[in-house]
Amino acid sequence: AQTVTQSQPEMSVQEAETVTLSCTYDTSENNYYLFWYKQPPSRQMILVIRQEAYKQQNATENRFSVNFQKAAKSFSLKISDSQLGDTAMYFCAFLNRDDKIIFGKGTRLHILP
Amino acid sequence: EAQVTQNPRYLITVTGKKLTVTCSQNMNHEYMSWYRQDPGLGLRQIYYSMNVEVTDKGDVPEGYKVSRKEKRNFPLILESPSPNQTSLYFCASMGQGGVGYTFGSGTRLTVV
Repeated sequence: AQTVTQSQPEMSVQEAETVTLSCTYDTSENNYYLFWYKQPPSRQMILVIRQEAYKQQNATENRFSVNFQKAAKSFSLKISDSQLGDTAMYFCAFLNRDDKIIFGKGTRLHILP
Repeated sequence: EAQVTQNPRYLITVTGKKLTVTCSQNMNHEYMSWYRQDPGLGLRQIYYSMNVEVTDKGDVPEGYKVSRKEKRNFPLILESPSPNQTSLYFCASMGQGGVGYTFGSGTRLTVV
């Protein structure tokens, strides 16, 4: 079965620091998509960043970037210059060839002033 | 504005009283899905639909029904809710090309 594992249930960092959230996944597929979603206290699910498995280049969106290691099945999210508004639950997710998205259990991130 | 509209946002009901959570999308997406979110368990798929009149069970379908009579609508029906269905529910739709989900704003359901 395909799984997504986020090994850090909760993290705290000081504002302006850089933080990395870990994610590993398990699949036998070769072509797939990976995502990071952010869920702030408003509970809205917001797409942060997306990576296509057949692209070697790591995706970036402003202060958010990923370290995609396909062979290791690792997909970590780096947040640079963290801001108070980055406080949220972050979910790593995997889209398989059947169009099913499988989510990790989430990492709760606190940005401290 | 492209969106998934989910209603209601909050609902408190009693055990056994049938309820429906509505979901509508305006992006002409074929794929729609329902998830429930529980602390420590992440998001788990309840049902999904790949097109009109085509629905399939997800990972936790027991106690739920869905229908897809029109492309834009995908209601979630709880025929006889029980307290273990107290949860945060999300409807989502997805376009082609691995773009990921667009989520509704969530429904906080409490069954007493």
